[in-house]
Parts: sequence; C-alpha cells; structure tokens
Amino acid sequence: DAGVIQSPRHEVTEMGQEVTLRCKPISGHNSLFWYRQTMMRGLELLIYFNNNVPIDDSGMPEDRFSAKMPNASFSTLKIQPSEPRDSAVYFCASSARGFDYGYTFGSGTRLTVV
Amino acid sequence: GIQVEQSPPDLILQEGANSTLRCNFSDSVNNLQWFHQNPWGQLINLFYIPSGTKQNGRLSATTVATERYSLLYISSSQTTDSGVYFCAAADQTGANNLFFGTGTRLTVIP
Repeated sequence: DAGVIQSPRHEVTEMGQEVTLRCKPISGHNSLFWYRQTMMRGLELLIYFNNNVPIDDSGMPEDRFSAKMPNASFSTLKIQPSEPRDSAVYFCASSARGFDYGYTFGSGTRLTVV
Repeated sequence: GIQVEQSPPDLILQEGANSTLRCNFSDSVNNLQWFHQNPWGQLINLFYIPSGTKQNGRLSATTVATERYSLLYISSSQTTDSGVYFCAAADQTGANNLFFGTGTRLTVIP
C-alpha cells in the first residue's frame, strides 16, 4: 500500500485566496482525520470522519474551514478565505476500526499564507 | 478533553545508550498511541497500546492504564532515532479524538 497520500506537499498562497488540501486514505481504512500542527499549539484534531460521515468537527477553528469526504478514497480540507494565521502543517491520517486503531499519517501539507 | 503530559521535554543521548520516555494522562483511556516525528516532519506510528506491553525491535512500550501512564523504551539508540516522540490519548467518551502531548525531543549523537 502507498500509505496515506496528501497533496500538495507545499502550498504558498496570498491572504484571501481559497486553499484546498487533498487526502487519499489507505484502502480499507474507514476512519479519516485532519490534524494541524503549529509551534504554538502542537498537533490539533480539526475533524474526523467515520465511513465518510463527519463525526466531530469541533476542532475546526472557524467557518472559513470546511472538510468533505465524498467517498471512501478521498477527502478535502478547504480554507476560504485564507489568513496568515492559518499557516501550519496540515496532516491527514487514517485508521481501520477493529482490533488495532493505530493511525497512519500522510506526509503533510505545509501551508504558508502571505 | 484529556490532558497528556510527556517527560522529559528534551533528551540528548550518546549512540548506544538506552532511554525511557514517559507519558501521563488525566483520565481513563481506550486509545493510546506513540508516534515518532522524524527530522523531515513525517509522523510514524510506533505503537497502539491502550494497555499492556508491546515490543518492536529496539522499541518497547508499556501502558499501566489503572495508574494513567505509559512508557516508551528505546534501547541501543541510533542516530536515526532522533526526532520528536509524541504520546496521544483518547478518553473513553471519544475513542477517535486523540489528544497529543507536547512531545519529547530526542537527539542521539554519534
């Protein structure tokens, strides 16, 4: 398996622009998570999905953030409009509910909003 | 949410030395994991260990759920072990809402 695939790896955008981050989970994993990592706040859960359904989005910082999972193999995290304080590394992770809930993380997207 | 505390915050070791990293959590857990973030930023899952002991090569982990702590042991450390080690836990009301500790930064020098 290729693991959890995220794109793009790096994104630089201007304040006010829309940003879309993409994630392909491991095939067969039915839970998907979006995390954000910053120096100040560490790793924070933004939202997670079970079987493509959003379960808990209480970590989404503002209405500017939205996430979708239209099918089992694809999810997006969108920021519109973006602001400099959104600069961070955004990780996607997936896991298979069952005996082992271990998470597999993607390589992350480093977002810089200027 | 559950509070996760890790110690020590920083650790410098000579190659070949052993180390123990500690994770304390504030509530009963049904999900506890250890991760290694390498210098390139990649997060690697080391163990899913809400209770008991597991071993994987030079690494092993033990969680004593009743006393609310977990330990990660690294034996015969290598320079490739450098990076940040995170403990993450979820309480029994939200098994999928992992809260991460602030990590232990390990530097192994040759």
